[in-house]
Amino acid sequence: SQKIEQNSEALNIQEGKTATLTCNYTNYSPAYLQWYRQDPGRGPVFLLLIRENEKEKRKERLKVTFDTTLKQSLFHITASQPADSATYLCALDRDGGFKTIFGAGTRLFVKA
Amino acid sequence: DADVTQTPRNRITKTGKRIMLECSQTKGHDRMYWYRQDPGLGLQLIYYSFDVKDINKGEISDGYSVSRQAQAKFSLSLESAIPNQTALYFCATSDTRGGTGVTGELFFGEGSRLTVL
Repeated sequence: SQKIEQNSEALNIQEGKTATLTCNYTNYSPAYLQWYRQDPGRGPVFLLLIRENEKEKRKERLKVTFDTTLKQSLFHITASQPADSATYLCALDRDGGFKTIFGAGTRLFVKA
Repeated sequence: DADVTQTPRNRITKTGKRIMLECSQTKGHDRMYWYRQDPGLGLQLIYYSFDVKDINKGEISDGYSVSRQAQAKFSLSLESAIPNQTALYFCATSDTRGGTGVTGELFFGEGSRLTVL
């Protein structure tokens, strides 16, 4: 069955450092890979999307890589800030949204 | 006002009761979804709708039903709630008619926390 794995352990980093979150998947060939941010008690918010034919995508302090051979995406937040503390969800999609599957998320804590 | 609004935000009920969670959107999107989120698990798709006349089961539809009353409204019902339906429920939308919709970007509501005793 299709499976997405994100680090279940929380990631703790110091302000100003680069946070790197990992998303691995099996038994799936996504056309798109998305990253969402979720704050406690709130709905997920879309951050970035990368297509299967793209290696890297950047948006401000965020960078996403997508390796379809390794079946892995890395999500980087450079110059991290305490306001970046949240849970980050990885999501895979092949068909334009109605079969999007989500990972359980990785909790990030950025300490001042 | 939020683009995707869910009501109620919190609800405590008893086993066997009928519960309805409502979702309305002002984004003008065609697709609407209901997801369930449990601690330590990814979001799981319950039902999705491509338009008013199209309703489809997701991966965990047993025990749930939905109604797409209008383009902007999509409600989720639990006919006879049971304790393992205690979870955080999210409504989401996407737009397939161009732009980000082609790639499946989802816009979520703030969630409805349901507790079944």
